[in-house]
Amino acid sequence: NAGVTQTPKFRILKIGQSMTLQCAQDMNHNYMYWYRQDPGMGLKLIYYSVGAGITDKGEVPNGYNVSRSTTEDFPLRLELAAPSQTSVYFCASSGSSYNEQFFGPGTRLTVL
Amino acid sequence: RKEVEQDPGPFNVPEGATVAFNCTYSNSASQSFFWYRQDCRKEPKLLMSVYSSGNEDGRFTAQLNRASQYISLLIRDSKLSDSATYLCVVARSAGNNRKLIWGLGTSLAVNP
Repeated sequence: NAGVTQTPKFRILKIGQSMTLQCAQDMNHNYMYWYRQDPGMGLKLIYYSVGAGITDKGEVPNGYNVSRSTTEDFPLRLELAAPSQTSVYFCASSGSSYNEQFFGPGTRLTVL
Repeated sequence: RKEVEQDPGPFNVPEGATVAFNCTYSNSASQSFFWYRQDCRKEPKLLMSVYSSGNEDGRFTAQLNRASQYISLLIRDSKLSDSATYLCVVARSAGNNRKLIWGLGTSLAVNP
């Protein structure tokens, strides 16, 4: 099993550009999550999903959108990138909200 | 006041030392507790769950004190490979699901 995979590993965007961060898991987990982690700050939940077709906002959803058309994939969309979105983005999955979360390797995004 | 608080460190210890980290939480409705480990520029990974009676995994011991609302992690016989950031995570109910609250982490450097 590959576990949780994320692409790209690194990306530099200009202000106002858009992009999609990809996340996939092969563990048949229902729950998937997107976090951002800023230097010296804890993990902040952006969006999460409890199953295909169901998504919900986390603590810091503004500026992002998600979709969950399949169990495996949970892409995160940035529209109109801003410098404040410079961060490391982690995708995670779990079998339920009571199980361990498995994380992908992260995407390092810089917005200039 | 943050819902989950940790001493950021860094803790600098020699190989073979015993080191302990504490984490306090403010919400008495918190139900589950975890320690995750995050290596530099890597994703978080579950180190161990924390059970009410305390639990041990090799050189690692986790304790929970519900009355005082803190959890602890003890590392005995520290190895160079233990150098990492240790994240305290607290879970509580949020509607039909469970919400994880992440601490900012405690940095540990084990020196030769």
